[in-house]
Amino acid sequence: ETGVTQTPRHLVMGMTNKKSLKCEQHLGHNAMYWYKQSAKKPLELMFVYSLEERVENNSVPSRFSPECPNSSHLFLHLHTLQPEDSALYLCASSHPGTGNSPLHFGNGTRLTVT
Amino acid sequence: RKEVEQDPGPFNVPEGATVAFNCTYSNSASQSFFWYRQDCRKEPKLLMSVYSSGNEDGRFTAQLNRASQYISLLIRDSKLSDSATYLCVVKDNNAGNMLTFGGGTRLMVKP
Repeated sequence: ETGVTQTPRHLVMGMTNKKSLKCEQHLGHNAMYWYKQSAKKPLELMFVYSLEERVENNSVPSRFSPECPNSSHLFLHLHTLQPEDSALYLCASSHPGTGNSPLHFGNGTRLTVT
Repeated sequence: RKEVEQDPGPFNVPEGATVAFNCTYSNSASQSFFWYRQDCRKEPKLLMSVYSSGNEDGRFTAQLNRASQYISLLIRDSKLSDSATYLCVVKDNNAGNMLTFGGGTRLMVKP
């Protein structure tokens, strides 16, 4: 069971499409994250929101646009993606104020760009 | 040099074996450490935090060596269900909420 829910689980989109990934957490955390996991690569941090303010961008291309309307919801808006953007996109949440606070992940959205 | 480095494996071991993974990190300011487990095509799940004094959870023992900047995970009496990728994660508490993941070590436990 996960307190972090992501939708959709799978997404296939063309390079000209616009889509959005959704994440919702029910853990009372106030930091949320987007990670990208490509084959044979470590997880890459894309965005962090703490108390609904973006605190880290990590030089992600502008075709990825995050939105955090409140501490429980996080979106990743996608437009004009490239085939190399195909990956597993993972949302996570944590309590940022606690030093030893781990991340809790959602089950991910597997994205294929055709 | 990678910030968090792990041997990708795979480690192929028979059931019942003891297996150990190491992970090295480059940021000496790192303060929090974790092991995560990731099954194929699933999300990472927290296995255990790693404390300076070392900690044990059933068949799993994690240890931290700050002087040498490495973390270890020991699995005793391996089960088939232990087959997964084990991710080492390091956090610098002074750098906001940044956690850095290693590339993972793949374990395959065979009957």
